[in-house]
Amino acid sequence: KAGVTQTPRYLIKTRGQQVTLSCSPISGHRSVSWYQQTPGQGLQFLFEYFSETQRNKGNFPGRFSGRQFSNSRSEMNVSTLELGDSALYLCASSGDSSPLNEKLFFGSGTQLSVL
Amino acid sequence: GESVGLHLPTLSVQEGDNSIINCAYSNSASDYFIWYKQESGKGPQFIIDIRSNMDKRQGQRVTVLLNKTVKHLSLQIAATQPGDSAVYFCAESHEAGTALIFGKGTTLSVSS
Repeated sequence: KAGVTQTPRYLIKTRGQQVTLSCSPISGHRSVSWYQQTPGQGLQFLFEYFSETQRNKGNFPGRFSGRQFSNSRSEMNVSTLELGDSALYLCASSGDSSPLNEKLFFGSGTQLSVL
Repeated sequence: GESVGLHLPTLSVQEGDNSIINCAYSNSASDYFIWYKQESGKGPQFIIDIRSNMDKRQGQRVTVLLNKTVKHLSLQIAATQPGDSAVYFCAESHEAGTALIFGKGTTLSVSS
């Protein structure tokens, strides 16, 4: 089974721009979560989607948004980029056989640099 | 507020030693705990998990211990190998369906 796939692997943007990141979960997994990882704050939860619906949301501003498609693939969008948005963005999926939001399987992440 | 933290940001051991990585949590309602390993350039990789109705769980070369009385979690790695060098995170959740809350991480360095 293929793991969680995130594209692109690296991104460089400038302040004020917007960016869209993509995530393909493990086949059969319907839950997709997004995390932001920075050296200072560690792993912080952004949001989680299940069957195309946002089920949980972290404490991030509205500039951060996401969606999930019928095939469970997910995208997250960050608008009006700020320097502080530079981070590794991780996507994780979990299967229906596990309790909700437990035993997440992570992708390798998208490293976003905002200049 | 809720937080999950680790006692030490770094741990250095010799190859073949046993490693113990500690984690303290503050929410007594937490009922699920999980350990991840993250190597450079990769996403976190699942190691082992444990529910609050257990005190100990063993995997291959790893053991997780849970002490609910003092809200403490530990990961023991037997016969540590250079390939175990990575950042280790503990995470917890207190209700099925809520997000996992991650600690800051401990960097394990194994020298041969």
